[in-house]
Amino acid sequence: DGGITQSPKYLFRKEGQNVTLSCEQNLNHDAMYWYRQDPGQGLRLIYYSQIVNDFQKGDIAEGYSVSREKKESFPLTVTSAQKNPTAFYLCASSMIRQAGANVLTFGAGSRLTVL
Amino acid sequence: AQSVTQPDIHITVSEGASLELRCNYSYGATPYLFWYVQSPGQGLQLLLKYFSGDTLVQGIKGFEAEFKRSQSSFNLRKPSVHWSDAAEYFCAVGYAGNMLTFGGGTRLMVKP
Repeated sequence: DGGITQSPKYLFRKEGQNVTLSCEQNLNHDAMYWYRQDPGQGLRLIYYSQIVNDFQKGDIAEGYSVSREKKESFPLTVTSAQKNPTAFYLCASSMIRQAGANVLTFGAGSRLTVL
Repeated sequence: AQSVTQPDIHITVSEGASLELRCNYSYGATPYLFWYVQSPGQGLQLLLKYFSGDTLVQGIKGFEAEFKRSQSSFNLRKPSVHWSDAAEYFCAVGYAGNMLTFGGGTRLMVKP
């Protein structure tokens, strides 16, 4: 079955460490996204990519980095510069119609906790 | 800047009762409108979407939503709630040239 796989499901990090969250899709979608979810704040866009080797900052990109070397993969690195990284992270993908009209398919999420 | 408001953070309904979850958006242009549902610890699943045409749209799991331009609203409804509907519901709004903006979510609890 086609879908999005995020790993790990749970991750613990010490302060000052970088961590990388994996996101792989086999839907043949062109666009991929990373969202951060905090209680009561909905989803906030961190980064998105519409084509291999290209990506754009979202609303809260500071302290995060991404790469898009393959169409299927869009890993997110949470760096030590991110002040409050404890959150639930969601990866999504979509075909590209036009921005704003894209129907997103989501992965099951990764929960990062900073100790 | 576009914004999406879901006024109710938590809603509790009895099983079998009707449900309406509210969603309001700001911005004047014609929006693309979505409702997603999230079970605890999981990703989001699309319930329904509105792009154009009939303002009453049907979705999965017996849900429907109505776009009311005059009220800038896209409320989600279900005539009879089942215990399995307990989840968090997110409204999202998009515009041409802009990424989706999500509301803060409404957590639905269902009483037996």
